[in-house]
Amino acid sequence: QQPVQSPQAVILREGEDAVINCSSSKALYSVHWYRQKHGEAPVFLMILLKGGEQKGHEKISASFNEKKQQSSLYLTASQLSYSGTYFCGTEPAGSARQLTFGSGTQLTVLP
Amino acid sequence: DAGVIQSPRHEVTEMGQEVTLRCKPISGHNSLFWYRQTMMRGLELLIYFNNNVPIDDSGMPEDRFSAKMPNASFSTLKIQPSEPRDSAVYFCASRARGGVSYNEQFFGPGTRLTVL
Repeated sequence: QQPVQSPQAVILREGEDAVINCSSSKALYSVHWYRQKHGEAPVFLMILLKGGEQKGHEKISASFNEKKQQSSLYLTASQLSYSGTYFCGTEPAGSARQLTFGSGTQLTVLP
Repeated sequence: DAGVIQSPRHEVTEMGQEVTLRCKPISGHNSLFWYRQTMMRGLELLIYFNNNVPIDDSGMPEDRFSAKMPNASFSTLKIQPSEPRDSAVYFCASRARGGVSYNEQFFGPGTRLTVL
């Protein structure tokens, strides 16, 4: 099943913070975050693994609550370049290593 | 590194025609994924190869869709016959060998398919 992302869209001013949430109905092994700009391919941001290991972007942080099967992406002091659609991809525990992506959160940063 | 290469970048065809999309993964990557993206359905996994072997094709919509990976550096996604509802952006992505989940997927630029 597709993970649920919230909010669907958010608009903020440069310098403001935002949180994007991702929730799954299945036990998860990892959560991946990607950003896609209009007309472009998704670009990797962050991976969070069961057990606390992380790998990703220096200026973007995220959390992974394994018990609640949820992840949140934190965008602090947002820049114009942060605009785009953010997708979480979930990898269920015991799966064959493929991701199921959420429907995306459209983030718009205004000057 | 050239990244994941897809061709063509745009394809316009008429209903009933055969369409072949091509993908060259990043050298050394052993997993390859085909996705379809539409406004209505978002980013859907169609098929996943590991070491050139199809692992999960449960996302392939129907028999009109087929995918092959004859070697580690090339994959095709074929639609025959194509229908207007197949119009979408098709992405290919690859991931480094090791089989561990903490390696990210690298996406190609996509092929925008329009079926008239």
